[in-house]
Amino acid sequence: GAVVSQHPSWVICKSGTSVKIECRSLDFQATTMFWYRQFPKQSLMLMATSNEGSKATYEQGVEKDKFLINHASLTLSTLTVTSAHPEDSSFYICSARDPGTGDVGELFFGEGSRLTVL
Amino acid sequence: GQNIDQPTEMTATEGAIVQINCTYQTSGFNGLFWYQQHAGEAPTFLSYNVLDGLEEKGRFSSFLSRSKGYSYLLLKELQMKDSASYLCAVMDSNYQLIWGAGTKLIIKP
Repeated sequence: GAVVSQHPSWVICKSGTSVKIECRSLDFQATTMFWYRQFPKQSLMLMATSNEGSKATYEQGVEKDKFLINHASLTLSTLTVTSAHPEDSSFYICSARDPGTGDVGELFFGEGSRLTVL
Repeated sequence: GQNIDQPTEMTATEGAIVQINCTYQTSGFNGLFWYQQHAGEAPTFLSYNVLDGLEEKGRFSSFLSRSKGYSYLLLKELQMKDSASYLCAVMDSNYQLIWGAGTKLIIKP
């Protein structure tokens, strides 16, 4: 089946630094990728929809300047958490739909990236 | 507003059967999904229902009643590896996925 790879799996950084998370579709082209954040024991929260070749669409309440999304190719989207603070510590997950296979709307998820800001 | 409700936690015995319920209220409906999520890992797809009725996939089955805004995930012959959170998600009229908070399933020997 379709594979989405996310890197890094774990990252620890100091407060005020920036962290980049990559999301790749390995065997299909994804014009759209989704970035989620999940706090412990809570549901997935959609942060933004990443559109290849254009600006990302952010959900209400998500700071565009803090969470920079770049979708420069059909297989790669990146999320950069700028000037990270401890409250940004969370599990970040990307996903994509494979237009060629799977049920309508079936999402393939990356492995997730656990960010800890000290 | 849009809402997905499912129990927070359930406990079952290895080899038994468990049913996880999900009720929803959304603006439009374009299908209901069940995902499995092991602790610290990303969700993996289990099932998709868009028509009323039961869909069976091996040990897992999913049921949908659109008129009642209700679905359940049925897990048979439970194995220890089935211990995970099970997420119910509904695709609304804008094709956006609305997620439930998940049901943590604990399997005991």
